[in-house]
Amino acid sequence: EAGVAQSPRYKIIEKRQSVAFWCNPISGHATLYWYQQILGQGPKLLIQFQNNGVVDDSQLPKDRFSAERLKGVDSTLKIQPAKLEDSAVYLCASSLVGEETQYFGPGTRLLVL
Amino acid sequence: AQSVTQPDIHITVSEGASLELRCNYSYGATPYLFWYVQSPGQGLQLLLKYFSGDTLVQGIKGFEAEFKRSQSSFNLRKPSVHWSDAAEYFCAVGRGYNKLIFGAGTRLAVHP
Repeated sequence: EAGVAQSPRYKIIEKRQSVAFWCNPISGHATLYWYQQILGQGPKLLIQFQNNGVVDDSQLPKDRFSAERLKGVDSTLKIQPAKLEDSAVYLCASSLVGEETQYFGPGTRLLVL
Repeated sequence: AQSVTQPDIHITVSEGASLELRCNYSYGATPYLFWYVQSPGQGLQLLLKYFSGDTLVQGIKGFEAEFKRSQSSFNLRKPSVHWSDAAEYFCAVGRGYNKLIFGAGTRLAVHP
């Protein structure tokens, strides 16, 4: 069974530029999560989808971050404009509906200069 | 507020020695508890989880963890550490709508 796929794996941009990350969850997993992991910290949930609906985006900085999951499968997370403090690893995870166990992708490491 | 504390930021052990990583949580109800491992440049891999029942749970790679309600703890243990166990370990708590709260992690170094 294929795991959670993410791309790109690494991205370097300058502040005020925009960037987008892509995630494809495990087949059949209706719930999808985006986490931000700042160096030295644990992952922090940014947004949770169930199918193509948002379940929780309370910690998403909506002035600059946006996410979509239009067809209920893959998802895109965008930052526009990026700030220095957005440098982090962005992790995507997925799970079955009602299943507590989340499966994580390899992450996208973002460096904002 | 719900929270997870991993008191040890960094631990170093010798190969073959035993290991215990500490995790304390604050949660209003009986939580679901998880341990994940993250190798450099990799995502998180689930080691083990506790939902209910036997408070000693077995996981992959020879790891086990014990849920102690009275101490609000879920410590991870391994009787004999291998060099390949060097990684960062995260404890997480969650229940309801699948939301997980992670600790800050413990980085494990293994000396040969």
